[in-house]
Amino acid sequence: AQSVTQLGSHVSVSEGALVLLRCNYSSSVPPYLFWYVQYPNQGLQLLLKYTSAATLVKGINGFEAEFKKSETSFHLTKPSAHMSDAAEYFCAVSTDAGGTSYGKLTFGQGTILTVHP
Amino acid sequence: NAGVTQTPKFQVLKTGQSMTLQCAQDMNHNSMYWYRQDPGMGLRLIYYSASEGTTDKGEVPNGYNVSRLNKREFSLRLESAAPSQTSVYFCASSGHGTGGWGYTFGSGTRLTVV
Repeated sequence: AQSVTQLGSHVSVSEGALVLLRCNYSSSVPPYLFWYVQYPNQGLQLLLKYTSAATLVKGINGFEAEFKKSETSFHLTKPSAHMSDAAEYFCAVSTDAGGTSYGKLTFGQGTILTVHP
Repeated sequence: NAGVTQTPKFQVLKTGQSMTLQCAQDMNHNSMYWYRQDPGMGLRLIYYSASEGTTDKGEVPNGYNVSRLNKREFSLRLESAAPSQTSVYFCASSGHGTGGWGYTFGSGTRLTVV
């Protein structure tokens, strides 16, 4: 079984400050890990994904995440927050990858990021 | 544009009514999924179809049925809607298709059951 825990349902930062959104996973086999962003009243947009290549993954909009197997973590960071980063962020894990599919995603509860001017 | 298309975008049902949510993808993906999103609970898998001709239950299948009509289309049916099914529903597809490996979501259906 796989699971994801996002620490902190709400994170608030000032514009220009570091963004750190925490994600820990549980998996009995090597995982595939994803971060998605959801803007109000919209669908989910892929920010980045880890698929067993480089442990530091760079995504869109200046975000990156580092896979740390020893800590079972995949935290999302951005050096300098922008007002447009305000959204809800979801971490997700899949372990059924292979063949022709990534398989079922299991999502964390989500973290709402607020950016203050 | 290639992607996942869901219809309708909004729907209000009365308790006990039935409806079908439609989903189609044009990326030649093998697998398709239905999730529901509720505040503070992330997205939870309702049903999925690993490939054409197969469907399986996810985490929260009760009250729903699905049909994988062909490789492109995967529908979700509520036979007798209940207020607890008020949610935002997302369809997704995954596989190695247009643009390489992908896991793509539709824009969602906001369903209210009164």
